[in-house]
Amino acid sequence: AQSVTQLDSHVSVSEGTPVLLRCNYSSSYSPSLFWYVQHPNKGLQLLLKYTSAATLVKGINGFEAEFKKSETSFHLTKPSAHMSDAAEYFCVVSGDTGNQFYFGTGTSLTVIP
Amino acid sequence: DTEVTQTPKHLVMGMTNKKSLKCEQHMGHRAMYWYKQKAKKPPELMFVYSYEKLSINESVPSRFSPECPNSSLLNLHLHALQPEDSALYLCASSQVLNYVGTYEQYFGPGTRLTVT
Repeated sequence: AQSVTQLDSHVSVSEGTPVLLRCNYSSSYSPSLFWYVQHPNKGLQLLLKYTSAATLVKGINGFEAEFKKSETSFHLTKPSAHMSDAAEYFCVVSGDTGNQFYFGTGTSLTVIP
Repeated sequence: DTEVTQTPKHLVMGMTNKKSLKCEQHMGHRAMYWYKQKAKKPPELMFVYSYEKLSINESVPSRFSPECPNSSLLNLHLHALQPEDSALYLCASSQVLNYVGTYEQYFGPGTRLTVT
């Protein structure tokens, strides 16, 4: 069975400092992994995805994530936080049967001016 | 075009009303999803359609009735809802996962539903 654990429910950073949002997954096979961002009262936007190609994945808005199989992790990073990055972030893993996705509980990112 | 549209954006309905939510995509995706999202929580899967057939129903109460009239449209019919059904309802689409999948979902902006 698949599951996702987002290790921090809230992260607060100062503008211009690095961002690290942590995600661990559990899967019986090599999954696909995704990070989505959700701004208040909006839908979810795909930031990046891992699909068994390069382990370092670059996404939109300067975000990156590294897939580490040995650590079963898929942490999201950004070198320098911007005020517009303040939002909710979800780590998602694909299921082993068709058309199922498993969501983490989310990390709320606050950016302090 | 990677857009999923949802109408209406906001809906207020009484517990005896009947209303419908609509979702549309033109990306050629043959999998479409309904999610319910409460504040500060991740989306909860309600239904999945694959090739216009219902493939997953996550034990959703019968007061929610999905419909997929064609490959671009997905509806959610609402009847006799309860106040606890108030939430953001999200529609998503993706290519059909015919093996351990690599296809991402595209989400619409959601319908904010309030049941009074």
